[in-house]
Amino acid sequence: GEQVEQRPPHLSVREGDSAFITCTYTDPNSYYFFWYKQEPGASLQLLMKVFSSTEINEGQGFTVLLNKKDKRLSLNLTAAHPGDSAAYFCAVSYSGYNKLTFGKGTVLLVSP
Amino acid sequence: EAGVTQSPRYAVLQEGQAVSFWCDPISGHDTLYWYQQPRDQGPQLLVYFRDEAVIDNSQLPSDRFSAVRPKGTNSTLKIQSAKQGDTATYLCASSDSANTEVFFGKGTRLTVV
Repeated sequence: GEQVEQRPPHLSVREGDSAFITCTYTDPNSYYFFWYKQEPGASLQLLMKVFSSTEINEGQGFTVLLNKKDKRLSLNLTAAHPGDSAAYFCAVSYSGYNKLTFGKGTVLLVSP
Repeated sequence: EAGVTQSPRYAVLQEGQAVSFWCDPISGHDTLYWYQQPRDQGPQLLVYFRDEAVIDNSQLPSDRFSAVRPKGTNSTLKIQSAKQGDTATYLCASSDSANTEVFFGKGTRLTVV
């Protein structure tokens, strides 16, 4: 089945710096890609969903890059601030929201 | 609008005890998922339902885990004879038939000692 590897497991940056998280996946048929944010004690919050037809997607304060050739999904938080401190998870699926395969997560700490 | 509600929020058991987790999805959502999230790992799908039917339970340890959704609304996940390896957060999620987004509950954190 699908396997997703996420790096790094922990990331510490200063306020205003960029934070870059990458996931690689194995199933070339994967079509849907997701980034979730999880704050302590809170639910998983969807940051962005990406379809394989679009390689660059921009959100509020972040950019998601999809490289289908290398089977790599990346999240770049530009100008991170302390409120971005949380765990971030990528997820991959070939069938919409069913059977999401998650990475192991990245714990991001943004210090003032 | 209320989100996905789970109870209890925490549970501590000794090995061999049984426990049940309860999930109330968002009203009108026909698809309900149970995920297991071990500490420092990503969620892993255990089982999901569409209405009252199990669509996929291939990752559910069938000898000790069971899940039901009898009326196609609330769901219960039960662990018989818990083991230390079951220590994890159990997440419930739901989505509507258009499958435009899945919403997660806050989870039940289980510790088996």
